[in-house]
This record gives sequence, C-alpha cells and structure tokens, in this order.
Amino acid sequence: DAGVTQSPTHLIKTRGQQVTLRCSPKSGHDTVSWYQQALGQGPQFIFQYYEEEERQRGNFPDRFSGHQFPNYSSELNVNALLLGDSALYLCASSLGKIVGGELFFGEGSRLTVL
Amino acid sequence: AQKVTQAQTEISVVEKEDVTLDCVYETRDTTYYLFWYKQPPSGELVFLIRRNSFDEQNEISGRYSWNFQKSTSSFNFTITASQVVDSAVYFCALSMKTSYDKVIFGPGTSLSVIP
Repeated sequence: DAGVTQSPTHLIKTRGQQVTLRCSPKSGHDTVSWYQQALGQGPQFIFQYYEEEERQRGNFPDRFSGHQFPNYSSELNVNALLLGDSALYLCASSLGKIVGGELFFGEGSRLTVL
Repeated sequence: AQKVTQAQTEISVVEKEDVTLDCVYETRDTTYYLFWYKQPPSGELVFLIRRNSFDEQNEISGRYSWNFQKSTSSFNFTITASQVVDSAVYFCALSMKTSYDKVIFGPGTSLSVIP
C-alpha cells in the first residue's frame, strides 16, 4: 500500500522564479492538504483540495495556488518566489468524509530560494 | 483565536527516563480535535493519537500515554522508559469542527534521548 509520495524531494530556485510541487495521496484517500514548514517551526496550513476544488485556505498570498486532478493527486504552485518561501513543503492526504481525521504525510519537498 | 502552544522547545533525557511533553491549546469552539504527530529526521510526520473534545478519557498505548484536561486546555504526552528511537520533533495540533480541514500545529518540541 503506497503512502503519500511527493516530488521533487529537493530543489533550488532563484527569486522571482516559479515552482511546481507534486503529491500523490495514499491509496484510497481523496483529500490533499498542503503545509509549509519553515526551519524550526511547525507546519503552517496552506490549503486543502477535495473533489478537485479548494475547500479551505490558510493565510497565504495568491502567489500560492494549487490544483487537484481526477485521480486525487495534487500540485502546489508558487509564483514570484521570495527568499522567505524557502521551506519544507509537506503534502498530507486524508479521507474527506471523516471529520477531524488523521493526516498521512509525505516526506516533503525542500525548497531553497536563493 | 485558535492557537497551540508547546512551551518546551528542546528536551534532552537519558535513555529509560520518563518524559512529558506539554501542550496547551486555545479555541472557542466546543467541538474540536487534538492530535500528536512525531517528525523523525526523515521529515515525514507520523500520526500518534487523535482526541475529540468530548472524550477526556486518558489513553495509554505501550510506552505512550496522553493526558487530556479541558479545564486547563492541555493535552500532554508522556513517554515512559524513553528509548533512542524516540528522538524526534513532536507536534501537538488542533482542528475545529467549524474548520476541521485546517489543522493548526504547535511549534514542536525537539526530544533527544541520550543512550
């Protein structure tokens, strides 16, 4: 049973560039959430996708956008990268019908912005 | 406002000692969920436990135990007879029924178990 997979694992970009991160949820899961984890801090909620729509969004600017595909996989896009966007980006999957259910996380994509 | 506080930034214990990780939460919702996650160096957060606001019964799972007290808005985590493999960052987290999709994480406590 494959868990949550994310790609790429590491990447380096320069300020102003754009990046796309990808996530495949755990088998059977239909909901994908994205979190940003800066060094030494807890994960911060970016947004969640369910049935190919953004269901909820955290306090992140519009430079952060996403998409969910019919197979439930998801992408996170960040435009006009800033140095402060350097972080570990975590994808978590869950079952959308379960209220307050546990999240299953991938190992993350570490983004460095120079 | 909703918030999770983990006052202990770093804890270091010698193997076989007991250790308690503190978690204090804030929410005005009457229905909410509390979680603990473990993050080893690999980066992947691993779910440990989930509690809803109506279930204050404490839970024990092997060497792990959790103490939920609504009166003090605390959800503390105790590891008994710690082992080196317990070394990780531990996060307490909160989600509310009104926005249960959004899980709010605390800043984490880094636990080092020294052999």
